Amino acid sequence: DGGITQSPKYLFRKEGQNVTLSCEQNLNHDAMYWYRQDPGQGLRLIYYSQIVNDFQKGDIAEGYSVSREKKESFPLTVTSAQKNPTAFYLCASTSGTGGVYGYTFGSGTRLTVV
Amino acid sequence: GENVEQHPSTLSVQEGDSAVIKCTYSDSASNYFPWYKQELGKRPQLIIDIRSNVGEKKDQRIAVTLNKTAKHFSLHITETQPEDSAVYFCAASLGNNNDMRFGAGTRLTVKP
Repeated sequence: DGGITQSPKYLFRKEGQNVTLSCEQNLNHDAMYWYRQDPGQGLRLIYYSQIVNDFQKGDIAEGYSVSREKKESFPLTVTSAQKNPTAFYLCASTSGTGGVYGYTFGSGTRLTVV
Repeated sequence: GENVEQHPSTLSVQEGDSAVIKCTYSDSASNYFPWYKQELGKRPQLIIDIRSNVGEKKDQRIAVTLNKTAKHFSLHITETQPEDSAVYFCAASLGNNNDMRFGAGTRLTVKP
């Protein structure tokens, strides 16, 4: 469905716990992104990666970490340093062949702190 | 960095009426403006986009207009249908793969 898969769909985190959200794409896209979606605030960029083994902080990177060991995969770890992690997380990818094209989004992971 | 503002935050129309959502952007160098539709519980999907070298683009019942001088762009949906009900996001980009910024979204409700 759509070529980009996020898992799990729902995730519950206890206080002080690190959790990892998975994002896999089979679109051969170079660039991948993580966004956080909160009600009334649209999409805010957490991290992005334009090539393997390279990634950059977005607007709200504090308390998050990522890796890009494979072109297809861009997992996001929500660390215990993120004090308000309850949100809907969206992964996206786009072709990095020049110019800018629309993003393909995953179906999202809803993270809740319990 | 780029800042995108979107209005209104909610919009309710009768089926068959038109709906207009407006966005403004801050960086005059922005040159790519996509619109996404997100149905409840689903992923955002690109519905139309426009680049800064054109002023208007249409695709069936949806159209986007761009005013570079005023730095605003709008989404127009004609003959609205209940299945148009969703949250719509605008975005603006300078043309690099790391600078897309989104508006806060507009929740459109089309009443039968």
